[in-house]
Amino acid sequence: DARVTQTPRHKVTEMGQEVTMRCQPILGHNTVFWYRQTMMQGLELLAYFRNRAPLDDSGMPKDRFSAEMPDATLATLKIQPSEPRDSAVYFCASGPPGTTQIIQYFGAGTRLSVL
Amino acid sequence: AQSVTQLDSQVPVFEEAPVELRCNYSSSVSVYLFWYVQYPNQGLQLLLKYLSGSTLVKGINGFEAEFNKSQTSFHLRKPSVHISDTAEYFCAVSDPLGGSNYKLTFGKGTLLTVNP
Repeated sequence: DARVTQTPRHKVTEMGQEVTMRCQPILGHNTVFWYRQTMMQGLELLAYFRNRAPLDDSGMPKDRFSAEMPDATLATLKIQPSEPRDSAVYFCASGPPGTTQIIQYFGAGTRLSVL
Repeated sequence: AQSVTQLDSQVPVFEEAPVELRCNYSSSVSVYLFWYVQYPNQGLQLLLKYLSGSTLVKGINGFEAEFNKSQTSFHLRKPSVHISDTAEYFCAVSDPLGGSNYKLTFGKGTLLTVNP
């Protein structure tokens, strides 16, 4: 049963520390999305990759957030330095090739708490 | 930009009762529409999608939704719910003709609670 794998599932850190979240997309998928979910804002798209290239990161705070895909099996989202307002659940999703089928498969998320 | 309104933030129902979760979206020439379900401490799972064709779409777990272009709605229904349907449900829309056709715009979610 193919699925998107996110690590860690939970992260508690102190303000100012660097946080790295990892995502392994489903094998064969060529699109990767990063979302942030909060009670106030709901689900927000942070970044979008296709074929490992970042195509849209307009939803991401540029000063502290960065997203990369070192290879086709790994996507990372980093926050440096972290702040309490970054506390949220971060989801990674991946999608198969073909732009007419905008289907995204979500991982279980990383719950981040910044103290 | 697209927007999605889920009119009810919480819907409590009794087991075996019918349920309808409402979703309206901002008008566009054409849209793709989705319903996702999120069980506690899990990611989102696709319930069903409308891309084209029949306006009545059937999904997993006995759910169905009807696309109504004139009312810009995509309400989700189930004739008889189970305790296991307790979850948060998200409606989402994308614009297939827009420059950012990969982008899903999500509603704020509706928490469905099924009581015994």
